Amino acid sequence: EAGVAQSPRYKIIEKRQSVAFWCNPISGHATLYWYQQILGQGPKLLIQFQNNGVVDDSQLPKDRFSAERLKGVDSTLKIQPAKLEDSAVYLCASSLVGQGATSPLHFGNGTRLTVT
Amino acid sequence: EDQVTQSPEALRLQEGESSSLNCSYTVSGLRGLFWYRQDPGKGPEFLFTLYSAGEEKEKERLKATLTKKESFLHITAPKPEDSATYLCAVQATASNYQLIWGAGTKLIIKP
Repeated sequence: EAGVAQSPRYKIIEKRQSVAFWCNPISGHATLYWYQQILGQGPKLLIQFQNNGVVDDSQLPKDRFSAERLKGVDSTLKIQPAKLEDSAVYLCASSLVGQGATSPLHFGNGTRLTVT
Repeated sequence: EDQVTQSPEALRLQEGESSSLNCSYTVSGLRGLFWYRQDPGKGPEFLFTLYSAGEEKEKERLKATLTKKESFLHITAPKPEDSATYLCAVQATASNYQLIWGAGTKLIIKP
């Protein structure tokens, strides 16, 4: 089975610019997650979708971050405007089942963002 | 407050030298504890899920165990290809089923 696809792999932007990341989950996976991982730390959940509805976005900085999942499949995460502290790896993950169920997450290889 | 702590932060072993990684947790209503492996430049890769105290899971040179307060990832006779960061995450009812992640243990196996 094909894994979670993410693009781009790397992105370098200046502060105050905008950037977008794309994710295609494993086919049939209803739940999609966006995580931020700073070097030396565990992943931090930004937003969780169940099909095309938002389940949890409590840790998403909504003044600058936005995400959508159209038609319950692909998803995009956008940052506008970027700050230096947004430099991190942005991971997309998907799982077969959603809220309340115990199901392993399958991760993509992430996008490494550097804000200068 | 729900919390997951992994130790040590880093561990260097010689090839063949067995050891254990620790993941201690304080959560209400444990639903499951997950172990993941993360290689440089890659996303975390799922290894095991443990659900209740006393449960054990094995995969090749890795064995995960669970008690009411912590989990251990035992690595037996490791090889250089086992070098990676090992992440622990806990799912609990009190945290609305969201995963609470540890910071990971970076394991380096020298040939």
